[in-house]
Amino acid sequence: EIVLTQSPGTLSLSPGERATLSCRASQSLSSTYLAWYQQKPGQAPRLLIYGASSRATGIPDRFSGSGSGTDFTLTISRLEPEDFAVYYCQQYGSSLYTFGQGTKLEIK
Amino acid sequence: QVQLVESGGGVVQPGRSLRLSCAASGFTFSSYAMHWVRQAPGKGLEWVTFISYDGDNKYYTDSVKGRFTISRDNSKDTLFLQMTSLRAEDTAVYYCARGVVTRSYYYMDVWGKGTTVTVSS
Repeated sequence: EIVLTQSPGTLSLSPGERATLSCRASQSLSSTYLAWYQQKPGQAPRLLIYGASSRATGIPDRFSGSGSGTDFTLTISRLEPEDFAVYYCQQYGSSLYTFGQGTKLEIK
Repeated sequence: QVQLVESGGGVVQPGRSLRLSCAASGFTFSSYAMHWVRQAPGKGLEWVTFISYDGDNKYYTDSVKGRFTISRDNSKDTLFLQMTSLRAEDTAVYYCARGVVTRSYYYMDVWGKGTTVTVSS
């Protein structure tokens, strides 16, 4: 089973700044099997990125994903107030799905 | 619009059973795989189980194998999760999610708001 480790656990930034969130896999995986989700308090998760770098429908272009092999990154180019939330990466492999433990993006 | 609505959550004693439902609307339910994902209080997301569009393929996380059963009724656009031998550690919000499964992509693109299951004596 592939384990996803996200870092940092908490990221404190100000609106307008750039956010870089990391997701590291315990073994190499196809980039097409990697997705990112955003979750705000009391809400369901929302798909942001699939296939490591493709934005889901309606997702602003300030969100971008990149990476390959074992290292993947979610970048938010210029933080808006509504972007402060928890972010999860998710992978598929061998008929199993796993999530990272999440990165909380908080207002500094 | 595309919508998933979970129901069936509640408070249940350890060892008892519960059946969750997820009603789909706004899309062709029978064309999509489906998932259940849970989130324990204050914790992260945990994938629980998957069912293919036709119900032929089902996968489970190890901690629920033999206790939980996923199923679907494509004639009623409804997904189910039968949970037996419930434990305190099954306490969570349970989300159903629509699965995208292609040759290249595997992710969840639509989520319900969740239903809460509390296992407590």
